[in-house]
Amino acid sequence: DIQLTQSPSSVSASVGDRVTLTCRASPGVTRWLAWYQQKPGKPPTLLIHAASTLQSGVPSRFSGRGYGTEFTLTINNVQPEDFATYYCQQGISFPITFGQGTRLEI
Amino acid sequence: QVQLVESGGGVVQPGRSVRLSCAASGFTFDTFAMHWVRQAPGKGLEWVGRISHDGTDKYYGDSVRGRFIISRDNSRNTLYLQMNTLRGEDTAVYYCAREISAPHLDYWGQGALVTVSS
Repeated sequence: DIQLTQSPSSVSASVGDRVTLTCRASPGVTRWLAWYQQKPGKPPTLLIHAASTLQSGVPSRFSGRGYGTEFTLTINNVQPEDFATYYCQQGISFPITFGQGTRLEI
Repeated sequence: QVQLVESGGGVVQPGRSVRLSCAASGFTFDTFAMHWVRQAPGKGLEWVGRISHDGTDKYYGDSVRGRFIISRDNSRNTLYLQMNTLRGEDTAVYYCAREISAPHLDYWGQGALVTVSS
């Protein structure tokens, strides 16, 4: 199975900050990596797919980069509604796997 | 608009069975593969399994393979998860989700809580 490791496990930020989250894949997943945001009591929402494609309706302050084994999700100008948990997910092979999550806190 | 609505959750005794349903609307159901993903209380996301658009191909996560069965009825726009021989560690919110490319999951239901307890 492909293992995804997210770092950090939690990060503190203030409104207006720029935050970068990392997801490492072992083995590599080429560009088949997605990012999701989840708020308490709600289902996840898709932010980025295929490593860098912004899902329709997602604000442009979210961006994704990477290929192979290392990927990043960057949030520019963090807004109050961005405080949530973020998960990466690989789609190159079954079983699909998720990272353990990064919690973005105030 | 796309809607996915899960039903069938509740409290189930260990060793028993339960079937979840996911009613889909707002899109052409029989052209999309579908997934189940679960989340234990306070934990991260765990993929359960996937079924192809026509129901012919299925994949399962290691922890549920041989106990859970995914099926679909395209005439009813409904996805199912048959959960057998339930264990305490199966306690979770179960989400159905629609697949786009890769596969990645673009729409999710609100989830159904299954609690396995005596």
